Amino acid sequence: EVQLVESGGGLVQPGGSLRLSCAASGFTFSISWMTWVRQAPGKGLEWVATINLDGSDKFYVDSVKGRFTISRDNARNSLFLQMNSLGVEDTAVYYCVRYATMDIWGQGTLITVSS
Amino acid sequence: DIQMTQSPSSLSASVGDRVTITCRASQGIRNDLNWYQQKPGKAPKRLICVASTLESGVPSRFSGSGSGTEFTLTINSLQPEDSATYYCLQNNSFPRTFGPGTKVDI
Repeated sequence: EVQLVESGGGLVQPGGSLRLSCAASGFTFSISWMTWVRQAPGKGLEWVATINLDGSDKFYVDSVKGRFTISRDNARNSLFLQMNSLGVEDTAVYYCVRYATMDIWGQGTLITVSS
Repeated sequence: DIQMTQSPSSLSASVGDRVTITCRASQGIRNDLNWYQQKPGKAPKRLICVASTLESGVPSRFSGSGSGTEFTLTINSLQPEDSATYYCLQNNSFPRTFGPGTKVDI
């Protein structure tokens, strides 16, 4: 069974940093592009970032460029999202999603940016 | 960037009704479009990929059509468990963009 389990969410102050992790299982992670999507409370879905197989290509939504970094560790079947200079507008549930075509989603982890 | 719009933004229907949701892209995206269903407090679930291919396990009352800039999601014989918000996603190019969603109440 394909599983994606996010961790690392929580409360952080504006300007702070947080690193999200996603543990993947049930499929060959190393041959799978991976994606992060977020959803602010009561709002719609927003694509955040996608990474290719070996991490050599990364794509970001404009609002996080220069602040967020997507990365992966294929040996550990793990996806990461390093988030710096967080603002209140980054408050959301963050989902780890398989493929750039987004078929399987994790359960999500909540990030709250507040003082 | 490709902008995605959806209509209606919400609808109310009865069990057994046929419901159609429309998604439009600001430029042609071939058939690179997915549909998702999201229930409150849950992660989205992909229903349809490449505009019209039903995911395994998704009831056949769901169907998708379209290509280029206009797409539709149809739910035939609406069931109580279909109450949810539905989103389209273009995966033709980066940045990926979702439609704003259509809330279906039953």
